Amino acid sequence: DAGVTQSPTHLIKTRGQQVTLRCSPKSGHDTVSWYQQALGQGPQFIFQYYEEEERQRGNFPDRFSGHQFPNYSSELNVNALLLGDSALYLCASGNWGGGGYGYTFGSGTRLTVV
Amino acid sequence: AQSVAQPEDQVNVAEGNPLTVKCTYSVSGNPYLFWYVQYPNRGLQFLLKYITGDNLVKGSYGFEAEFNKSQTSFHLKKPSALVSDSALYFCAVRDREAGNQFYFGTGTSLTVIP
Repeated sequence: DAGVTQSPTHLIKTRGQQVTLRCSPKSGHDTVSWYQQALGQGPQFIFQYYEEEERQRGNFPDRFSGHQFPNYSSELNVNALLLGDSALYLCASGNWGGGGYGYTFGSGTRLTVV
Repeated sequence: AQSVAQPEDQVNVAEGNPLTVKCTYSVSGNPYLFWYVQYPNRGLQFLLKYITGDNLVKGSYGFEAEFNKSQTSFHLKKPSALVSDSALYFCAVRDREAGNQFYFGTGTSLTVIP
């Protein structure tokens, strides 16, 4: 049973570019959340998707956007990249009706902006 | 607002000795508290959670945590540390009112010295 799969594992982008990160949730999960983990910091909540809609959003600018597909997979898009966007981006999946139990994290995508 | 604090950036302990990683919380209502571990270049792995019930929670890999409501603490403990326990540990609280998103502490780096 595959867990949460994220791609790519590493990515280098230039300031001002756009990037798309991908996440496939654990089998049986219908909700995907994205977190940003800057170096030396704990993960910070970006947003959460369920039924292809953004349900909750953290304190991130509109440059951060997302999408969820009918198969529950998700994308995180970041426009106009800044150096400060360099971080490990983590995807977590769970069940909307599960009360938050059993959330599973992926291994992350390491984004470096130069 | 929900938050957790990890007062120690770094904890060093000798192999075989007991270890404690500290966490305090600030929440409205009853707290849902979690501990996660992160190995280098990896995502977050679930260790244990406190939802309700017994104040002493037992989790994976021999770890346990004690919920103390009067001190608003949820310290992670292990009776006998292993070198393989060396990793980054995060305490987190789950916000049931906001899509079950997690609020993480800044992390504690645990080093077990052989």
